[in-house]
Amino acid sequence: QKEVEQNSGPLSVPEGAIASLNCTYSDRGSQSFFWYRQYSGKSPELIMSIYSNGDKEDGRFTAQLNKASQYVSLLIRDSQPSDSATYLCAVKSGFQKLVFGTGTRLLVSP
Amino acid sequence: GAVVSQHPSRVICKSGTSVKIECRSLDFQATTMFWYRQFPKQSLMLMATSNEGSKATYEQGVEKDKFLINHASLTLSTLTVTSAHPEDSSFYICSARVYWGGAGDTQYFGPGTRLTVL
Repeated sequence: QKEVEQNSGPLSVPEGAIASLNCTYSDRGSQSFFWYRQYSGKSPELIMSIYSNGDKEDGRFTAQLNKASQYVSLLIRDSQPSDSATYLCAVKSGFQKLVFGTGTRLLVSP
Repeated sequence: GAVVSQHPSRVICKSGTSVKIECRSLDFQATTMFWYRQFPKQSLMLMATSNEGSKATYEQGVEKDKFLINHASLTLSTLTVTSAHPEDSSFYICSARVYWGGAGDTQYFGPGTRLTVL
């Protein structure tokens, strides 16, 4: 069983719409949650980190965490074609290593 | 955010040669760095955890004698792919861990090194 699961996509949304990316994890002891964006041929770039239940907003991005449901999501408002990339969910417990999902490919069409 | 650099960004070598990749934390000290490998259209695969001043911890299935890791200072870790073969061709990415005290820690990634073994 995968430790961090994401739908591989592609998730297609029109420009200006809200993109919703979801991630579930199996380790209930997980304490730190991250969203990375990876453009094709490039390395991952940290977008958001979240540690407590609820929402955390940063510009057009909102991360949502529900530890009871073992679920973390990323909302991208006013999606732009430049947001087209693969979004990696990563989860960590304490000072253990990051565990990555396989990523969701997002396509934003003009 | 913290800046991590890698060098070289791209390398092409002949089969049987060794290739060294450097990973540097530019504006912070990193006691822990990580080395990942990524094949096309696949997710990141952690190869090893590199701790300054001690031996690296390798993930299951990763040959420590083939992928030599040295973390000699708080800002530099190196990965040497020894006797490289075509199947070692991949995108190698390092990351460095930044501690935020009570707020936990975050990993920042270098830009990656694309290795092609002919």
